[in-house]
Amino acid sequence: GIQVEQSPPDLILQEGANSTLRCNFSDSVNNLQWFHQNPWGQLINLFYIPSGTKQNGRLSATTVATERYSLLYISSSQTTDSGVYFCAVSSGTYKYIFGTGTRLKVLA
Amino acid sequence: GAGVSQSPSNKVTEKGKDVELRCDPISGHTALYWYRQSLGQGLEFLIYFQGNSAPDKSGLPSDRFSAERTGGSVSTLTIQRTQQEDSAVYLCASRFLAGGRNEQFFGPGTRLTVL
Repeated sequence: GIQVEQSPPDLILQEGANSTLRCNFSDSVNNLQWFHQNPWGQLINLFYIPSGTKQNGRLSATTVATERYSLLYISSSQTTDSGVYFCAVSSGTYKYIFGTGTRLKVLA
Repeated sequence: GAGVSQSPSNKVTEKGKDVELRCDPISGHTALYWYRQSLGQGLEFLIYFQGNSAPDKSGLPSDRFSAERTGGSVSTLTIQRTQQEDSAVYLCASRFLAGGRNEQFFGPGTRLTVL
């Protein structure tokens, strides 16, 4: 099955800094989502992005499907950005495979 | 409702007891997933329902786990004779599928603690 790797596993930032999170996948996919799991455990949809680039406020994401990776950019980070960021992919089926996540802590 | 809801939000039970967890998906979403997340870990697929099709139960860890979905809407996940290793957060997601867009939306989860 598809393998999903996320990097870095852990990240600590000062408030205001920018960061890039990466998601690599081992096979072609036709669905990809980025989620933020907040400290209370709620998984929040950030982007549905099987290809291309999207932006939503301080967040943007780019998926290069032919090269099997996706990037999540966080600009001007805030303490509320803390939590775990997951990417999840699926390939022609309903079953999503989740990465192990990037744990982000933003310091005030 | 506006989003996926789950109940209870927290459940503490004694080893050997049965528990039932409930998920109410977004209205109109025909697909529903259950996942399990152990502390500090990623999401583990448990079961998938789509309309009236037979569910994909391939992720259920043992025969103590079962799930049903009534009327294509509300789903219940039942764990019989709970064990301490069942302690985890159980997450439900419903899926929006239209125009090739396959997007999951998650509920807040049920935190299960087995003493």
